[in-house]
Amino acid sequence: GAGVSQSPRYKVAKRGQDVALRCDPISGHVSLFWYQQALGQGPEFLTYFQNEAQLDKSGLPSDRFFAERPEGSVSTLKIQRTQQEDSAVYLCASSPNPGAWSYNEQFFGPGTRLTVL
Amino acid sequence: KQEVTQIPAALSVPEGENLVLNCSFTDSAIYNLQWFRQDPGKGLTSLLLIQSSQREQTSGRLNASLDKSSGRSTLYIAASQPGDSATYLCAVTKNDMRFGAGTRLTVKP
Repeated sequence: GAGVSQSPRYKVAKRGQDVALRCDPISGHVSLFWYQQALGQGPEFLTYFQNEAQLDKSGLPSDRFFAERPEGSVSTLKIQRTQQEDSAVYLCASSPNPGAWSYNEQFFGPGTRLTVL
Repeated sequence: KQEVTQIPAALSVPEGENLVLNCSFTDSAIYNLQWFRQDPGKGLTSLLLIQSSQREQTSGRLNASLDKSSGRSTLYIAASQPGDSATYLCAVTKNDMRFGAGTRLTVKP
C-alpha cells in the first residue's frame, strides 16, 4: 500500500508569496500531523488533526500559517506572505488511531522543501 | 519544556564496527520514545518505539534501551554497514512529540 505522500517535493517562493503544501495520508488514518524541520535540526510540531477536526495548533509559529483537512483525508498547509525564516522542510505524518500523543505510531511522508528567497 | 539532546552530532566509523548513539531528555514523564532514521531528502522511518513501561526494544541489528528515571536512551547498532549511513533522530512523546537534532552517521566501506 502507498505511504504518506506530499506535494510538491520542492517549492521556491519569493518573499511575500503565499504557498500551499499538500499531504496525502495513508488511507484510513485518523490522525494527521504537520512538522517543520529547519536545516540541521529535528522536526518541530506544528499542528494535529483528528479526522477533519484541528485539535491542536499550538505549534503554528504565526497567524500566517494555516492548515486544513476538510474531508478528514488530504490536508493542506498554507503559508501566507512567506518570509525567509519560513524556509524549511515541512513534514506530514499520519497514524491510524485517534489520540495524538498516546501510543500512536506515526508514518512520515518525504516532506516538502520550501525555500523562500 | 522538554529538551531532547543527541550526542554525538556526527559520527564516522569503519564498516563492521558496533556503535552507540545517545539521546537524553529533561522530563522523564513520557509516554514513549522513538528512534527514527532519516536519509537525505527523505522523510523519517521509524526504527524502534519503546513504551514508557519498557526497558528496551530490538529489531535485527538494532537495540534501543530506555532509562526513564535518568532521562536517557541509547541506540545500539551491531556490525555497522555502509547502508546504515543516515541521520538518526530520537523523539519523546508526552503532550507533543519532541525531537533531538539527530546524529549524522557515516559508515565507511
